[in-house]
Amino acid sequence: DIQMTQSPSSLSASGGDRVTITCRASENIINFLNWYRQRPGKAPELLIYGASTLQVGVPSRISGSGSGRDFTLTIRSLQREDFATYYCQQSYRTPHTFGRGTKLEIK
Amino acid sequence: EVQLVESGGGLVQPGGSLRLSCEASGFIFTNHWMSWVRQAPGKGPEWVANIREDGSEKKYVESVKGRFTISRDNARTSLYLHMNDLRDEDSALYYCVRDRRGGANDYWGQGTLVTVSS
Repeated sequence: DIQMTQSPSSLSASGGDRVTITCRASENIINFLNWYRQRPGKAPELLIYGASTLQVGVPSRISGSGSGRDFTLTIRSLQREDFATYYCQQSYRTPHTFGRGTKLEIK
Repeated sequence: EVQLVESGGGLVQPGGSLRLSCEASGFIFTNHWMSWVRQAPGKGPEWVANIREDGSEKKYVESVKGRFTISRDNARTSLYLHMNDLRDEDSALYYCVRDRRGGANDYWGQGTLVTVSS
């Protein structure tokens, strides 16, 4: 199985800040990398697919980049709704493995 | 509006069986692969299985192979997960999810809770 390593596992920031989360795949997954946000008590929601394409309705202050093995999620100008847990997922090969998550907390 | 509504979860003893169902609406069901993803309390999501639009191809995570079967009824726009020989480690919230092209899960249900315990 392809292993997905996310870092950091947790992060503290303030409203208006910019944050970056990284995800590394154990092998080349081209651009089959997706990012999700999960708020407490809610299902995950897709933010970005194909490493850099924003899902409909996701604000442009959220962006993704990378290819091959290394990927990043960047959130500019943090808003209240951004404080949540973020997961990366590869969909290059089944099983479509997820990273262990990054919890973004208010400083 | 895309809707995915799961049912069928509950408390079951180790070694028992359950069948999860998911009723889909608001999109053309036969245009999408569909998946089940589970999440144990306090843990990250775990992809479990997916199925091609016409049901002709199915994939599973290794830990459920031979015990779980994914299926779909396109006439009923429904997705199923038949779970046999359940183990403690299968306890989780099970989500029905829609796959978009490229494999990302673009719509999620609210989940149905499976608890395996004696």
